Amino acid sequence: AQKVTQAQTEISVVEKEDVTLDCVYETRDTTYYLFWYKQPPSGELVFLIRRNSFDEQNEISGRYSWNFQKSTSSFNFTITASQVVDSAVYFCALSEEKAAGNKLTFGGGTRVLVKP
Amino acid sequence: EAGVTQFPSHSVIEKGQTVTLRCDPISGHDNLYWYRRVMGKEIKFLLHFVKESKQDESGMPNNRFLAERTGGTYSTLKVQPAELEDSGVYFCASSPRTSGRGDEQFFGPGTRLTVL
Repeated sequence: AQKVTQAQTEISVVEKEDVTLDCVYETRDTTYYLFWYKQPPSGELVFLIRRNSFDEQNEISGRYSWNFQKSTSSFNFTITASQVVDSAVYFCALSEEKAAGNKLTFGGGTRVLVKP
Repeated sequence: EAGVTQFPSHSVIEKGQTVTLRCDPISGHDNLYWYRRVMGKEIKFLLHFVKESKQDESGMPNNRFLAERTGGTYSTLKVQPAELEDSGVYFCASSPRTSGRGDEQFFGPGTRLTVL
């Protein structure tokens, strides 16, 4: 069965510091998809990135970067030069190719607090 | 383009009462998902509609939960009778109908259900 673990429940940093969120996943499927979502105080989950299991290339989008390592089953997320607006709960999620539909399996989330 | 909307945003009911949650997906999205997060735990999948058909309802906790999507547009999730452990945030998400998996799901802001 699939599982996603986000070991860090809460991280507190001072503005401009870098912060890395860990995500470790388990799956028996050879084809799968990994996601990061951001949940700001308003409540909705905002999509940040999707990665498929065949694409291990790291990605950078502005201050956000992602490190996908199949060898360690990890998909970590780094926010560079954090800002107060980055304060939110961040969820890592997994979708398996063989699973019926496209349901997401979420980690427990990591709350990031960026202090000015 | 309007996002996924959910109603009500917050519901407080007594144990044993009935509550109906509503989700309006993004127009034209065939896929509609329900998830919930209870007691600060992981967000867990409940069920998946493709148009008006239930594709996967493996996450529905018991027969006190009934989901419908008549006409393949909006969906309702009824809890009858509600129990204390049903308290949590219920999220709805939608995605377009595509041939591939790993599609981004667009989430609503959630309905916070409190059962007293």
